[in-house]
Amino acid sequence: NAGVTQTPKFQVLKTGQSMTLQCAQDMNHEYMSWYRQDPGMGLRLIHYSVGAGITDQGEVPNGYNVSRSTTEDFPLRLLSAAPSQTSVYFCASSLPGQGSYGYTFGSGTRLTVV
Amino acid sequence: AQSVTQLDSQVPVFEEAPVELRCNYSSSVSVYLFWYVQYPNQGLQLLLKYLSGSTLVKGINGFEAEFNKSQTSFHLRKPSVHISDTAEYFCAAFPIPGAGSYQLTFGKGTKLSVIP
Repeated sequence: NAGVTQTPKFQVLKTGQSMTLQCAQDMNHEYMSWYRQDPGMGLRLIHYSVGAGITDQGEVPNGYNVSRSTTEDFPLRLLSAAPSQTSVYFCASSLPGQGSYGYTFGSGTRLTVV
Repeated sequence: AQSVTQLDSQVPVFEEAPVELRCNYSSSVSVYLFWYVQYPNQGLQLLLKYLSGSTLVKGINGFEAEFNKSQTSFHLRKPSVHISDTAEYFCAAFPIPGAGSYQLTFGKGTKLSVIP
């Protein structure tokens, strides 16, 4: 049971480049979320999904796109990277109705935009 | 929508001393409350949660937290800390099912430093 798997662990991008951060879970969780973590800011919600085909925006969605074609996968796309997107990104998942039982987090992707 | 405020950004404490990390929340609906811990260069791990029932909840590693509805607080405590407790701690809130939002909202974190 791998839990929540994020790839890559580290990435350096040039301004204007695009990339996709991958997130996969093998727990049949319907809720999935993407957060970014910046020093002194805690974790801020970017996008979330309550099931395949359903996504919604969180607190800081600008510059990011998501899709949810399967229950297992929830990729985060940066269309045109900017230095302000330098951050650590975490994917998390939980069960519906059991979202109350706490989210399981991946180990993170550290992204640097130069 | 809900918000979570962690009142201290950094808390230094001597080894074997007690510690309290403070968390207040604000919400227009009832929420579940959580504490997570993040060790350096790692992801977040659930410490404990309050869903309903007894207001004193116990978690892993000897931590406990008390839910106080009138003060909208959920403070984390440990009677005797160890060096290994050095980490960043996050308080979070999630609306109860049916309340509309599905967003887990975090505070900005408290860095606990245990001094030998």
